[in-house]
Amino acid sequence: QLQLQESGPGLVKPSETLSLTCTVSGGSIDSSSYYWGWIRQPPGKGLEWIGSIYYSGSTYYNPSLKSRVTISVDTSKNQFSLKMRSVTAANTAIYYCARLVLGLVPMYFDLWGRGILVTVSS
Amino acid sequence: EIVLTQSPGTLSLSPGERATLSCRASQSVSSSYLTWYQQKPGQAPRLLIYGASSRASGIPDRFSGSGSGTDFTLTISRLEPADFAVYYCQQYGSSPTTFGQGTKVEIK
Repeated sequence: QLQLQESGPGLVKPSETLSLTCTVSGGSIDSSSYYWGWIRQPPGKGLEWIGSIYYSGSTYYNPSLKSRVTISVDTSKNQFSLKMRSVTAANTAIYYCARLVLGLVPMYFDLWGRGILVTVSS
Repeated sequence: EIVLTQSPGTLSLSPGERATLSCRASQSVSSSYLTWYQQKPGQAPRLLIYGASSRASGIPDRFSGSGSGTDFTLTISRLEPADFAVYYCQQYGSSPTTFGQGTKVEIK
């Protein structure tokens, strides 16, 4: 069955760029039925949506992060990626990638990766 | 953006008891776009309920969702040991999608 797996550095320095990749296995990323998204969770806190992407490359972002975030997709590798610029300690969190079920509009996240802890520290 | 407020923050119950969790939205949310997730320590969230009342695949029928407008409820009819976790509601009726702050169901 379809699985998602986050990968990337677990430690990023302040002011640098956080870069993560989500690899989709057991299924194709270029399905018309889904978007693909990134969600984060600071340790011991709640969930925050970062942004989502369609296989065509269409994206939308949380307005609170939009100026610093880019999400891209590589259908040949069945992957999508997150870049977050100018990070601070406040961006320390577990970062999840997830599949987003698409109805008339995006609706809910039905499959999640295991998450990757990214710590921002010098 | 729509703010989701979950209550109570923590629910202390015993196995076999009924759990009632509330999710209140700052604006009306279409029932189609209200979702509940369960999260256990060290794990990713797991989809429980979508469309306010539809159980996801493999979710036991002791979990049920209800509500409309601004008030939604997740009910666990008889708590089992595996149900002690944190529960989040989420809305996708209005962008950006937002999550509630979570309700922790703990063993009394």
